[in-house]
Amino acid sequence: LAKTTQPISMDSYEGQEVNITCSHNNIATNDYITWYQQFPSQGPRFIIQGYKTKVTNEVASLFIPADRKSSTLSLPRVSLSDTAVYYCLVGVRGGYQKVTFGTGTKLQVIP
Amino acid sequence: EAQVTQNPRYLITVTGKKLTVTCSQNMNHEYMSWYRQDPGLGLRQIYYSMNVEVTDKGDVPEGYKVSRKEKRNFPLILESPSPNQTSLYFCASSLKGQAGGPGHEQYFGPGTRLTVT
Repeated sequence: LAKTTQPISMDSYEGQEVNITCSHNNIATNDYITWYQQFPSQGPRFIIQGYKTKVTNEVASLFIPADRKSSTLSLPRVSLSDTAVYYCLVGVRGGYQKVTFGTGTKLQVIP
Repeated sequence: EAQVTQNPRYLITVTGKKLTVTCSQNMNHEYMSWYRQDPGLGLRQIYYSMNVEVTDKGDVPEGYKVSRKEKRNFPLILESPSPNQTSLYFCASSLKGQAGGPGHEQYFGPGTRLTVT
């Protein structure tokens, strides 16, 4: 089981770039790293996924160093609507079926 | 529109009265799962299903039952609800049966807020 550790909360001003780091020291060779975003009272929404180096889409970038023991979700120029909880998931448990979300990072964007 | 639907969205019930929360997806996904979310505890997996007639326990299965008779539906059953099952419940599905890697990202329903008094 690849346990993940994220900061509990972060604050950022509008327009700034936000980087949320996730630590996953026990990541396995076949594990991918996936990030979800959740707004209050809504289900989580998939943001980005990667295996190594850098992945970018229209919403965010994901940076993964060579040892893959951590990853950083980067949100460019955040707005108030980016206020949400962000979850980092790595691999799965047991027979590649269980999913563990953890408590995530609560990002508060300040005007 | 590709989506996961849950019903009801809100439910207030009394201890011991059996209830079912329905979940349906229209994406032909193999994998479906139920989570509950409680303040300070994040999302915890209750049950999951790899495919029709294949289900297994997640982290917090006590007090819940599920069934997967059709690929698109995955109802959550509380045979005898108790107040500690008051929570926000989410159903999710993904294309493939393994929750990691391309095609494995999960799509979540809108949630069901359950209160048991």
